[in-house]
Amino acid sequence: AQSVTQLGSHVSVSEGALVLLRCNYSSSVPPYLFWYVQYPNQGLQLLLKYTSAATLVKGINGFEAEFKKSETSFHLTKPSAHMSDAAEYFCAVSYSGGYQKVTFGIGTKLQVIP
Amino acid sequence: DGGITQSPKYLFRKEGQNVTLSCEQNLNHDAMYWYRQDPGQGLRLIYYSQIVNDFQKGDIAEGYSVSREKKESFPLTVTSAQKNPTAFYLCASSSGGPSVTDTQYFGPGTRLTVL
Repeated sequence: AQSVTQLGSHVSVSEGALVLLRCNYSSSVPPYLFWYVQYPNQGLQLLLKYTSAATLVKGINGFEAEFKKSETSFHLTKPSAHMSDAAEYFCAVSYSGGYQKVTFGIGTKLQVIP
Repeated sequence: DGGITQSPKYLFRKEGQNVTLSCEQNLNHDAMYWYRQDPGQGLRLIYYSQIVNDFQKGDIAEGYSVSREKKESFPLTVTSAQKNPTAFYLCASSSGGPSVTDTQYFGPGTRLTVL
């Protein structure tokens, strides 16, 4: 079964500091990976997705993620945190096999300290 | 503007009552999904539909029912058989087909509280 593990349910960073949100996946076949962001009481919005075209994926709002097969990781980074980045972030994985079943991680809440 | 709408935003239900959550999309997507979100548990799939008049159970379908009579609409009914229905419910859609890189687009959610 596919799964993702997000390390750290809560992460705090200072404004202007590096943001690093960790995601590891389990897989015996090549996965497809996604990062979503959720603001309070709202739906999820896609930040970026990995589809095997390039290992370094750039997304919206200055975020990027690097697929590392040897480490089974897909960590999300942003060089400089902004107050508006405070939200919950979800890593997700899907695999080939017809219908798109997506498995989500439990989420990481990012707090940005002024 | 194209998108997904969910209504109502907040819903209160008495124990023993059925309640229906609305989900409408104008993205011309074939596939639609219902997820349940609980604190610290991420999103869990309740039901999904790949095409009109067809739907499949997800990981936590017990106590829920759905219909897909129109491409644009995928209502979810929370029945009295659902033991713990208080949660945030999210509807999503995607263009469908076999592509696993297909992006799911989410509605704003409905927060259901059982009194």
